[in-house]
Amino acid sequence: QKEVEQNSGPLSVPEGAIASLNCTYSDRGSQSFFWYRQYSGKSPELIMFIYSNGDKEDGRFTAQLNKASQYVSLLIRDSQPSDSATYLCAVATQGGGKDRASKIIFGSGTRLSIRP
Amino acid sequence: DTEVTQTPKHLVMGMTNKKSLKCEQHMGHRAMYWYKQKAKKPPELMFVYSYEKLSINESVPSRFSPECPNSSLLNLHLHALQPEDSALYLCASSQEAPDKFLYGYTFGSGTRLTVV
Repeated sequence: QKEVEQNSGPLSVPEGAIASLNCTYSDRGSQSFFWYRQYSGKSPELIMFIYSNGDKEDGRFTAQLNKASQYVSLLIRDSQPSDSATYLCAVATQGGGKDRASKIIFGSGTRLSIRP
Repeated sequence: DTEVTQTPKHLVMGMTNKKSLKCEQHMGHRAMYWYKQKAKKPPELMFVYSYEKLSINESVPSRFSPECPNSSLLNLHLHALQPEDSALYLCASSQEAPDKFLYGYTFGSGTRLTVV
């Protein structure tokens, strides 16, 4: 079973609509959750992080976390063509190093396309 | 300075060459990471350094050799690579102690490596 799962898409959304991206994770001990945006040929860019159940809003972005269901989502309101990218869900898990260093595990990403 | 700087941006090397990738950050972050990303795949963790000590090695082949000379610098030494090692190599850093993960990583722009 994959540790972090996302629908690969592509997800096509009309400009101005709400884009909804979903992610599930397997490690119940995970405490921190992230959404990264990655444009083609570029490195990932952190856009949201969340670690408490419920919603967290930042501008047009809302992250939602439900630890009981092991589910994380990202809503993008008023979608713009510049939002077209791959969105990576990432989960921090306890690592296996002797100092218990954490590591972030990425899902395979959802490709989002905003059509004019 | 809020950046992670990676050099070179592009690298082409033969299978018998020895080369090094360099990563630098001046944000006072105490954890640094190497990730490998193949096309249309998520980043895969290779190494974690915590307080300048190797904390996690994700069973990476010995032809990849990491080094952390000081708290601001992380190197990845490459030797006898194979064409399948061609990928985008990403460096990242995080501000927290590695046993607490709240704010995610800052990624560098990556080194695109081609092995011929």
